[in-house]
Amino acid sequence: GQQVMQIPQYQHVQEGEDFTTYCNSSTTLSNIQWYKQRPGGHPVFLIQLVKSGEVKKQKRLTFQFGEAKKNSSLHITATQTTDVGTYFCPQNQAGTALIFGKGTTLSVSS
Amino acid sequence: DGGITQSPKYLFRKEGQNVTLSCEQNLNHDAMYWYRQDPGQGLRLIYYSQIVNDFQKGDIAEGYSVSREKKESFPLTVTSAQKNPTAFYLCASSPRWFANTGELFFGEGSRLTVL
Repeated sequence: GQQVMQIPQYQHVQEGEDFTTYCNSSTTLSNIQWYKQRPGGHPVFLIQLVKSGEVKKQKRLTFQFGEAKKNSSLHITATQTTDVGTYFCPQNQAGTALIFGKGTTLSVSS
Repeated sequence: DGGITQSPKYLFRKEGQNVTLSCEQNLNHDAMYWYRQDPGQGLRLIYYSQIVNDFQKGDIAEGYSVSREKKESFPLTVTSAQKNPTAFYLCASSPRWFANTGELFFGEGSRLTVL
């Protein structure tokens, strides 16, 4: 079945450094969503990408969907302590609900 | 304000007791979901409901039960058969059930501890 792998599982950066997390699928995706969960909080929807090669920006966050629709990335420019949390790109599998893996947990030191 | 309300936020239970976690939404969403999260882990799907009066088992349904008698409500019962119930439980909803293209709206979660 479809498998979406997310890397890295953990990333620590100094405040001001950039950060990128990647999601890779073995099969073509119809769309991909990104969520952020702050420590102790609940996941919050960030964005959905649908089109091949799509790039969307939200302030310092840049989301990309690969040309083949098999991978996606989230890039944060100049991280801040408010970026701390776990970022998920859940697996969108036909016939069931979104499947969340372990995501990428970002820690930022000031 | 529209949203999803989970209660209680914190719950302590003795072994052998059943406990029911409440999830209510006023977003008029058709679909609702229950996920479980353990420390440092992702979210695992317990049950989901595409529409009122219907629900399906997720990956880890054993030891849990749900009902969907009203569109706005999707309570989860953690039974004594659930061997390791201590976890963070998250309820979510989405506008429609179609090919998972709708975003999920999450409640703030219920943290269950079994003593």
